[in-house]
Amino acid sequence: KAGVTQTPRYLIKTRGQQVTLSCSPISGHRSVSWYQQTPGQGLQFLFEYFSETQRNKGNFPGRFSGRQFSNSRSEMNVSTLELGDSALYLCASSLVRPSFNYGYTFGSGTRLTVV
Amino acid sequence: TQLLEQSPQFLSIQEGENLTVYCNSSSVFSSLQWYRQEPGEGPVLLVTVVTGGEVKKLKRLTFQFGDARKDSSLHITAAQTGDTGLYLCARRGGSQGNLIFGKGTKLSVKP
Repeated sequence: KAGVTQTPRYLIKTRGQQVTLSCSPISGHRSVSWYQQTPGQGLQFLFEYFSETQRNKGNFPGRFSGRQFSNSRSEMNVSTLELGDSALYLCASSLVRPSFNYGYTFGSGTRLTVV
Repeated sequence: TQLLEQSPQFLSIQEGENLTVYCNSSSVFSSLQWYRQEPGEGPVLLVTVVTGGEVKKLKRLTFQFGDARKDSSLHITAAQTGDTGLYLCARRGGSQGNLIFGKGTKLSVKP
């Protein structure tokens, strides 16, 4: 079956712009989580959506937002981009809300570069 | 903040050598996961360890969870070039299920 699909794979944006990233989870998976990966900070949790509701949020400013649609596909949006937002954004899907009994499957990520 | 410290940060070895990487915390955690991330891809789950003292083997990879559940190690026997990647440990972040990751060990295995 198809894995987690993230689009686009690469993106270059200018400071101050906004960006929307997309994630299609594995078919049947209802939970989608987003992580930011940078060389300095590593992988950091952004937020988790389950049944179209944000269930958990990491320590990121309000410029980072997301949503989930009825088909479980998710989007994340970053407004007023800063240079420090350059990162690999990873989406992970889970059958139910993630736990160590139901692990994540990660997508390949979207590489965002802010210039 | 219950951080996970991974060491070494970088490791470059020749094919056929053995290696061990470590994941440590000052706090007890109930379980731990190890992931491998190849360049340009997302992390892939290798193993979950849940019991203090537990040892799990995955082909040439041996994972150990410390008796006190504050540390874990990953040992690779006879490394191959295909083992190259970023090895990440992760613990569950409280009751909400999100993962807290260490910064990883970047392994390069040269032919």
